[in-house]
Amino acid sequence: DAGITQSPRHKVTETGTPVTLRCHQTENHRYMYWYRQDPGHGLRLIHYSYGVKDTDKGEVSDGYSVSRSKTEDFLLTLESATSSQTSVYFCAISEHLGNQPQHFGDGTRLSIL
Amino acid sequence: AQKITQTQPGMFVQEKEAVTLDCTYDTSDQSYGLFWYKQPSSGEMIFLIYQGSYDEQNATEGRYSLNFQKARKSANLVISASQLGDSAMYFCAMREGVAAGNKLTFGGGTRVLVKP
Repeated sequence: DAGITQSPRHKVTETGTPVTLRCHQTENHRYMYWYRQDPGHGLRLIHYSYGVKDTDKGEVSDGYSVSRSKTEDFLLTLESATSSQTSVYFCAISEHLGNQPQHFGDGTRLSIL
Repeated sequence: AQKITQTQPGMFVQEKEAVTLDCTYDTSDQSYGLFWYKQPSSGEMIFLIYQGSYDEQNATEGRYSLNFQKARKSANLVISASQLGDSAMYFCAMREGVAAGNKLTFGGGTRVLVKP
């Protein structure tokens, strides 16, 4: 299995609080991604990174920011969490080649009350 | 318009029978890739199979095969000899073009329940 660790695995917090989710990889892959999964929507890309300090927005980036200061770590921050950000968040990694699949972490279940 | 459409929200299949999961896509790129993932009730995302737009043969991986019909823009997953452990959500995803990022767009998924 690809070495991807997401932390925390579960979190409950209140509206308006900041939240940071961490994705750590041991595969030295260049690309890292954050998705959210909601019923009926499959997975939707929030942000992705194509190298250290190189990030870009995905389909549903509003309300989220990311940082990648090291190859192995990709952080997702909700500056001021809202109830609409209650979701399951997945981190994924991939190598450069287009035929290489993305490999996913086990997900973080985030509830915002 | 949705880029990836999975029209079957859920389906039952008898154990040991084959099942076909539909996936249609929309892209204007010539170079793209199609992926299928499995998500069991435990929640992890498991890569199953890949088909490139320039691949001349349909992809196969064990009991999984991909029925790729480029002109119809469909990439259906076929699971042969279904097993109880195949009960899961299945997602079709597409990577477009060769732009940086290797980004994937996912369909809404199909839930499969295998009956003994």
